Amino acid sequence: AQTVTQSQPEMSVQEAETVTLSCTYDTSESDYYLFWYKQPPSRQMILVIRQEAYKQQNATENRFSVNFQKAAKSFSLKISDSQLGDAAMYFCAYRTDLNDMRFGAGTRLTVKP
Amino acid sequence: SAVISQKPSRDICQRGTSLTIQCQVDSQVTMMFWYRQQPGQSLTLIATANQGSEATYESGFVIDKFPISRPNLTFSTLTVSNMSPEDSSIYLCSVEGQNTEAFFGQGTRLTVV
Repeated sequence: AQTVTQSQPEMSVQEAETVTLSCTYDTSESDYYLFWYKQPPSRQMILVIRQEAYKQQNATENRFSVNFQKAAKSFSLKISDSQLGDAAMYFCAYRTDLNDMRFGAGTRLTVKP
Repeated sequence: SAVISQKPSRDICQRGTSLTIQCQVDSQVTMMFWYRQQPGQSLTLIATANQGSEATYESGFVIDKFPISRPNLTFSTLTVSNMSPEDSSIYLCSVEGQNTEAFFGQGTRLTVV
């Protein structure tokens, strides 16, 4: 069974600083997809970034980037120049073409002004 | 991307009653997913709903408790039946995007008293 582990229940960052959220996963598949979702207090799940396992290049979306280490089954999210609006729950997620999406337990990010 | 409208956004219900949650998508989709998010927890898949067939339920969820309808390719409902306080959660519907990502409704916050 595929599992997704986020070992940091809470993280805190100073505004304008950089923070990295950790995620590891367990799978025997070679082709799969990884995601980071953000859930602010509004409850809306928002896709932050997506990575395909067959791509060696790390995905980047503006201030958000990932460090994808396939051999280590690690998929961390780096948020640069943190903003107050980045405060939210962040969920790491995994799926294959055949399986539904599996989520980690989440990391609550606080941004201090 | 898909735009998903989920109703109601929140409700407070008496134990023993039932609540039906509606999910409307702005495009035709093959599969729709229903998730439960208990307070402070991650998302857990309840079931997958395909149009024209019975929903497929995950372990721990049964049709009698969470009946699902999928009358067409843009609409689905989830009913939470015979509610108890343990059913107090956020319920989210989701669809799959073209790039395997998931799009979510804004969620329904259910409180059972």
